[in-house]
Amino acid sequence: KNQVEQSPQSLIILEGKNCTLQCNYTVSPFSNLRWYKQDTGRGPVSLTIMTFSENTKSNGRYTATLDADTKQSSLHITASQLSDSASYICVVSAASVTSGTYKYIFGTGTRLKVLA
Amino acid sequence: DTAVSQTPKYLVTQMGNDKSIKCEQNLGHDTMYWYKQDSKKFLKIMFSYNNKELIINETVPNRFSPKSPDKAHLNLHINSLELGDSAVYFCASSQILLGTGELFFGEGSRLTVL
Repeated sequence: KNQVEQSPQSLIILEGKNCTLQCNYTVSPFSNLRWYKQDTGRGPVSLTIMTFSENTKSNGRYTATLDADTKQSSLHITASQLSDSASYICVVSAASVTSGTYKYIFGTGTRLKVLA
Repeated sequence: DTAVSQTPKYLVTQMGNDKSIKCEQNLGHDTMYWYKQDSKKFLKIMFSYNNKELIINETVPNRFSPKSPDKAHLNLHINSLELGDSAVYFCASSQILLGTGELFFGEGSRLTVL
């Protein structure tokens, strides 16, 4: 069964500190993995995409890693800011050329709160 | 220009009423979706349309009926609203064929059923 699990469920950190969010998945056939940020009252927005061959990718203070062997990804936030307070959702895409299907499997998200 | 826009943003209504939420995307994407986000913030797929054709229909009550008049629009009509329908509904689009598959979401429509 395709599944995406995220941890922790919620996290509170002080402004300026770093943090790491985890995503474990069992999705087949794996196409790519994306991290989305969802601010309160807004729709999710893509932060970064990881394909099978990529190990790490950065987007400003956000750095995503992917270990395709262990099927784990992490999102590291450096020098957190108040505006980083949001939910972070890991989404894994499963694409099958033979069946012509493309699916998104969503994680349950991590709620991050950054305090001043 | 908003890429994926949905209206209304807020909707408060009584049980038993019928309501619609509209969605439009100006990205030229071939696929559109409706997601339901519950109080625990989990996003659950409801429907997916590819070039106006229904390709995903999860176990959603048949009180929910999507309609796609063209590739750029996917509306959601809900009959006989129930308390459990209260949630935030997100429209999204993506380009699947020869595209990145990145999902672009609208801002959400918060439905409250009293």
